[in-house]
Amino acid sequence: DIQMTQSPSSLSASVGDRVTVTCRAGQSITTNLNWYQQKPGKAPKLLIYAASTLQSGVPSRFSGSGSGTDFALTISSLQPEDFATYYCQQSYSAPLAFGGGTKVEIK
Amino acid sequence: EVQLLESGGGLVQPGGSLRLSCAASGFTFNKYAMNWVRQAPGKGLEWVSRISGGGAGTNYADSVKGRFTISRDNSKNTMSLQMNSLRADDTAVYYCAKARDYDAWHFDSWGQGTLVTVSS
Repeated sequence: DIQMTQSPSSLSASVGDRVTVTCRAGQSITTNLNWYQQKPGKAPKLLIYAASTLQSGVPSRFSGSGSGTDFALTISSLQPEDFATYYCQQSYSAPLAFGGGTKVEIK
Repeated sequence: EVQLLESGGGLVQPGGSLRLSCAASGFTFNKYAMNWVRQAPGKGLEWVSRISGGGAGTNYADSVKGRFTISRDNSKNTMSLQMNSLRADDTAVYYCAKARDYDAWHFDSWGQGTLVTVSS
């Protein structure tokens, strides 16, 4: 089974900051990596799939990069509505796996 | 507009059974794989199970294999999760989630979730 490790588990940032969340896979997953945003009490929302493809309707301040085992989600200029928890997910092979999450909080 | 509506959650004793359902609308249901993803209170996301568009292919997390069974009825646009031998660590909000593409393994639409509580 492929393990997914996210870091940091939480971070504090200010509106306008550039924020990067990283995700590491236990083995190569090529570009089969997806990112989700979840706000309290709500279902997750797909932001990026295939490591770097922006889901329709997602603001362009979100971007994804990486391949193999190391990936990153970057928010170029943090907005008030971006404070949430972010999860990576590998879609390379079953069983599918999510990272532990990164909570982005207001500084 | 895609809509996914879960039902069937509730309180069940350890060792008991429960059947969750997901009613889908707004897309051609039999063209997409469907999944169950759960989230224990205050914890992260855990993928549970996947079923292919036609229903022939299924996959399970190790934690539920042999206890849970996923199925779908494409004539009714519904998906189900039969959960047997429930344990306290099965307590979670269960989401149904639609695959983004026919054979994709990532999820572009989610339901609002249904809470399953396993407790005596």
